[in-house]
Amino acid sequence: SQQGEEDPQALSIQEGENATMNCSYKTSINNLQWYRQNSGRGLVHLILIRSNEREKHSGRLRVTLDTSKKSSSLLITASRAADTASYFCATANSGGYQKVTFGIGTKLQVIP
Amino acid sequence: DTAVSQTPKYLVTQMGNDKSIKCEQNLGHDTMYWYKQDSKKFLKIMFSYNNKELIINETVPNRFSPKSPDKAHLNLHINSLELGDSAVYFCASSQDWQGRNSNQPQHFGDGTRLSIL
Repeated sequence: SQQGEEDPQALSIQEGENATMNCSYKTSINNLQWYRQNSGRGLVHLILIRSNEREKHSGRLRVTLDTSKKSSSLLITASRAADTASYFCATANSGGYQKVTFGIGTKLQVIP
Repeated sequence: DTAVSQTPKYLVTQMGNDKSIKCEQNLGHDTMYWYKQDSKKFLKIMFSYNNKELIINETVPNRFSPKSPDKAHLNLHINSLELGDSAVYFCASSQDWQGRNSNQPQHFGDGTRLSIL
């Protein structure tokens, strides 16, 4: 079954604006990861946030995690045309057998 | 150097045929995966191997048979192809089995686009 669900499913912004994508999940997790997929390419790992962390930064990326609400957000600041891609969250469930499950993604278009 | 490479990149074939997709990683990782991405971009795990041993088999039809000759290679053979098999198939790898340590990223190949006529 699908674990992470990204919101919105599609987002179009102007270059220079910030882009925020959200991910909700259902079960307890060990960590949550964000990946980027450019058209016609494989997924590229962006950032991992553990269940005991609330916020993490990497360059222009900021990820937050709220385990009480079972949700995460990915913020891309000062977006560039090259940020145009699909963004996926992936959750690793906690306890017992750990499995990573991907959401359906948010398609981001940054207009130059 | 390509970290995870899959061949072929495109595969167009008739229903009922048998085909194989190859995957190789040069990252020295112990674990490899096969995923299927459908037309709605939903990415679903199919198989996972750790050090040549099958770890995950996500109720995939037995027409799909993975083979891992060594930990750097995980090939996927598909028998009697059906229309519903049309998708993009991704190979990925990670340092260790995520059932033991999920705090690590997966590295993906660029996919094999399979089209069944």
